[in-house]
Amino acid sequence: EPEVTQTPSHQVTQMGQEVILRCVPISNHLYFYWYRQILGQKVEFLVSFYNNEISEKSEIFDDQFSVERPDGSNFTLKIRSTKLEDSAMYFCASVKREGVEQFFGPGTRLTVL
Amino acid sequence: GESVGLHLPTLSVQEGDNSIINCAYSNSASDYFIWYKQESGKGPQFIIDIRSNMDKRQGQRVTVLLNKTVKHLSLQIAATQPGDSAVYFCAETALGATSGSRLTFGEGTQLTVNP
Repeated sequence: EPEVTQTPSHQVTQMGQEVILRCVPISNHLYFYWYRQILGQKVEFLVSFYNNEISEKSEIFDDQFSVERPDGSNFTLKIRSTKLEDSAMYFCASVKREGVEQFFGPGTRLTVL
Repeated sequence: GESVGLHLPTLSVQEGDNSIINCAYSNSASDYFIWYKQESGKGPQFIIDIRSNMDKRQGQRVTVLLNKTVKHLSLQIAATQPGDSAVYFCAETALGATSGSRLTFGEGTQLTVNP
């Protein structure tokens, strides 16, 4: 069964460093999302992406964040200058054309020291 | 003082019992609701969904009930098993909005099934 994959599973970085989190959505899906979950808290929407552009973003998704679909398979989230409060699980999700169910990846745990 | 992080509601049941997990939502415009299961260290996993034109939907061992009047959603798990132990989140969205609408997640409930 196809699934969303994410790499790395765990990323440790120093405050102020740039990180890139990678996702490979399910191959025939057209809508892509990033969510984050701070430890012990609920999942929060960051950004949605369709047709090579951002369709919606939350207040969390400020100028430090960017997303890209550099090729036909990868979907990336970049944090330019990480802060301690960026430490969280980051989940990628995708939806197929005409679909509604969002399929989530296993997540990347980002730890900012 | 102010607590850091949230303390999840918890539900502890015996194996074989039925479980009911509740969720309140706030957006009257939401027309699609989903229950997700999240095991430790993993991403949310789809369990069951319901559209606002329904008030009940059944799956395998799970039933979702929707009460739009009071903006309440519940998940019933029949004959709960130890493998059902996880955090359960409800999520809502407005499909009538832009394509690929965001999901808004609820607070989550920690279900523990005792053998």
